[in-house]
Amino acid sequence: AQSVSQHNHHVILSEAASLELGCNYSYGGTVNLFWYVQYPGQHLQLLLKYFSGDPLVKGIKGFEAEFIKSKFSFNLRKPSVQWSDTAEYFCAVMTNQAGTALIFGKGTTLSVSS
Amino acid sequence: DAGVTQSPTHLIKTRGQQVTLRCSPKSGHDTVSWYQQALGQGPQFIFQYYEEEERQRGNFPDRFSGHQFPNYSSELNVNALLLGDSALYLCASSLQTGTNEKLFFGSGTQLSVL
Repeated sequence: AQSVSQHNHHVILSEAASLELGCNYSYGGTVNLFWYVQYPGQHLQLLLKYFSGDPLVKGIKGFEAEFIKSKFSFNLRKPSVQWSDTAEYFCAVMTNQAGTALIFGKGTTLSVSS
Repeated sequence: DAGVTQSPTHLIKTRGQQVTLRCSPKSGHDTVSWYQQALGQGPQFIFQYYEEEERQRGNFPDRFSGHQFPNYSSELNVNALLLGDSALYLCASSLQTGTNEKLFFGSGTQLSVL
């Protein structure tokens, strides 16, 4: 069955620290990959996406992610986090088999202290 | 421009009851998807509606049903509620001709089954 694994359940960082959140998926075919963010009390918002082309994609608020096909990974990075980045982060994949349904990971809670 | 709106925001029901949740898509969108997000989990795809028909369905029992109206708004119905149905129910809207990169989520309806 297709699935998405997010390795870190809860990450705690100080402001200005670098961030990397892991995401791996299980599907051997073509995938579209997404990172969503949910700030406290708000709805899910798209951070960035990968459909094809350059495997290093840049999103909003200084986030970027790298698609490594051989590792089935799509890790999220940010060089220097801010207190306002405190949120829950979800990795999601869309596959040919799943149609237009997004398959989400369980999410990673990021807490940034000032 | 209104985003995706869901009602009610919170709901408390007892086991065996039936519930109806409502969603108005973002202006200009014609496709509505529903997701269930249990506590500590990522959203899980329930089904998608387009042109008033269910186009795709996730791994949910027939107790979960839906409807889409000519104005593209949608309802999610759950019959014979179980304790395990307690979750945040998210509605997402998009354009059928799009590639899901323009998927917009509502803030959800928190359903508690006692």
